[in-house]
Amino acid sequence: NAGVTQTPKFQVLKTGQSMTLQCAQDMNHEYMSWYRQDPGMGLRLIHYSVGAGITDQGEVPNGYNVSRSTTEDFPLRLLSAAPSQTSVYFCASSGGTRTYGYTFGSGTRLTVV
Amino acid sequence: SQKIEQNSEALNIQEGKTATLTCNYTNYSPAYLQWYRQDPGRGPVFLLLIRENEKEKRKERLKVTFDTTLKQSLFHITASQPADSATYLCALASGGGYQKVTFGTGTKLQVIP
Repeated sequence: NAGVTQTPKFQVLKTGQSMTLQCAQDMNHEYMSWYRQDPGMGLRLIHYSVGAGITDQGEVPNGYNVSRSTTEDFPLRLLSAAPSQTSVYFCASSGGTRTYGYTFGSGTRLTVV
Repeated sequence: SQKIEQNSEALNIQEGKTATLTCNYTNYSPAYLQWYRQDPGRGPVFLLLIRENEKEKRKERLKVTFDTTLKQSLFHITASQPADSATYLCALASGGGYQKVTFGTGTKLQVIP
């Protein structure tokens, strides 16, 4: 049982490049979310999904796209990387946020130069 | 605007004592509140969930209270150990169906042997 798997663990991008952060879970969870964590800012919600085909914006969605074509996968796309997107990104999933907490992945550390 | 406030200053406590962490919120009407632990370089780990109709919840050495009148939750670790040293985050859900989970910035706890 792998839980929540994020790839890559580390990434360096040049300004203007695009990339996709991968997130997969094997727990059949309906709820999935992407957060970014910056020093002094805590975890900020980027996008979240309550099931396949359903996504919504969080606090800081600009510059990011998501899709949820399957229950298992929830990729996060950076459209045109900017230095302000340098951060640690966490993907999380839950079987139901009224009863269960989120299970987090180990994170992707992204640096945009 | 909605806010979740946790003491940003680190909490230092002697081993064996009870650590008490505070989470205050404004402009939320949460049905439940969650607490997580985060170690450096790792993703948060879910600890406890408490619902609005539950005044107190316990799990081993952990105790959480939830006062919807004061808009506050207290997180207690009794008989604290150096291994309890970590950052502790509270989280609230909002939106229809309480699907959007927002985190506080966390409080760093240091247990001194």
